[in-house]
Amino acid sequence: AQSVTQLGSHVSVSEGALVLLRCNYSSSVPPYLFWYVQYPNQGLQLLLKYTSAATLVKGINGFEAEFKKSETSFHLTKPSAHMSDAAEYFCAVRPSGNTPLVFGKGTRLSVIA
Amino acid sequence: GAVVSQHPSRVICKSGTSVKIECRSLDFQATTMFWYRQFPKKSLMLMATSNEGSKATYEQGVEKDKFLINHASLTLSTLTVTSAHPEDSSFYICSARVSGRGNEQFFGPGTRLTVL
Repeated sequence: AQSVTQLGSHVSVSEGALVLLRCNYSSSVPPYLFWYVQYPNQGLQLLLKYTSAATLVKGINGFEAEFKKSETSFHLTKPSAHMSDAAEYFCAVRPSGNTPLVFGKGTRLSVIA
Repeated sequence: GAVVSQHPSRVICKSGTSVKIECRSLDFQATTMFWYRQFPKKSLMLMATSNEGSKATYEQGVEKDKFLINHASLTLSTLTVTSAHPEDSSFYICSARVSGRGNEQFFGPGTRLTVL
């Protein structure tokens, strides 16, 4: 079964520092990959998605992710963290067009002033 | 566009009662809807997939008699937690998929269920 692994359940960065959230997928063929953000007691908001077009995907709020087939990775980055970025981040994979999303366990991002 | 709503956002009920959660696609028709459950500080676990007009497909380990799903129209799906118990307390999130838009899933804001 297709899956994603998020390394680190909790990441803490200083305001203004680089944000790096890791995600690796298991798939024999390049899947569709997504990053979502969840604020407390809220639903999911799509940050960005990879659908086999450009390997570097730019999303909302200054986030971007790079698809690296050789590393089976889709890490999420942001050059400069803001306090408002503190939230839970989920990497997700959709193995094929009609299958539902499968989520990683999530990474909680804390931003320290 | 592609807004999904859920009602109620929070519900507290007594053990043994049934609770219905509604999921609506407000500005599009969703041929497929998904129900996820999220435990505190955990990921989203897919409970079931429902297609309009047909029976829902439940994931392994999810009791279909416990979690009744109805997808009566292209804009509405309901999840009924029957005879709720404290262990059913959780955050339930629905998601609707739009055919023809890359099969993208759009998520509702979630419903916090607390069973006393």
